[in-house]
Amino acid sequence: DTAVSQTPKYLVTQMGNDKSIKCEQNLGHDTMYWYKQDSKKFLKIMFSYNNKELIINETVPNRFSPKSPDKAHLNLHINSLELGDSAVYFCASSARDRTGNTIYFGEGSWLTVV
Amino acid sequence: SQQGEEDPQALSIQEGENATMNCSYKTSINNLQWYRQNSGRGLVHLILIRSNEREKHSGRLRVTLDTSKKSSSLLITASRAADTASYFCATPDSGNTGKLIFGQGTTLQVKP
Repeated sequence: DTAVSQTPKYLVTQMGNDKSIKCEQNLGHDTMYWYKQDSKKFLKIMFSYNNKELIINETVPNRFSPKSPDKAHLNLHINSLELGDSAVYFCASSARDRTGNTIYFGEGSWLTVV
Repeated sequence: SQQGEEDPQALSIQEGENATMNCSYKTSINNLQWYRQNSGRGLVHLILIRSNEREKHSGRLRVTLDTSKKSSSLLITASRAADTASYFCATPDSGNTGKLIFGQGTTLQVKP
């Protein structure tokens, strides 16, 4: 069973379009994230939700809006897509324990804006 | 700001050789993690080492942590072609938000 699943895996769309990426985790974790990985493999956090509440909101354009209907889902909606939005977007989840915060990643969604 | 920085950025070795990757970070941490990313896939957690630990093993992986130098190393012994991947270190954000900050990774190629 896939622990963190996100769809679609590949998305090619034109500038100006609006698109969504869905994410679900079946690990029972309270915290979910969206990370963005650029062409140089630099991975940067975008958002973090804990029990459906926004915890972290990095400097991300307002065109990006996460939505968490319940703690097992965190979707990412992007309005007015721009060329620079092309990247791989990873959904992830974690559970806090005394040793640290191990993150479980989805397989990624490859977004190409043309 | 970027917390962890890996060195080297790329590493190419022959199967059977050992591979060593280094990570440096800037602020005090209570743990450091290493992740692996195969091409076209998500990141997978490999190992977590706490700040009061100096060395940790998991199979062919050996991780060291030197908090005085703010650095960690990942050693893969007897490498295999299947170890070809990118390896990232990650450290907790100083604000205790649960956020992990990743370095840019070391791309390892193991030639058969």
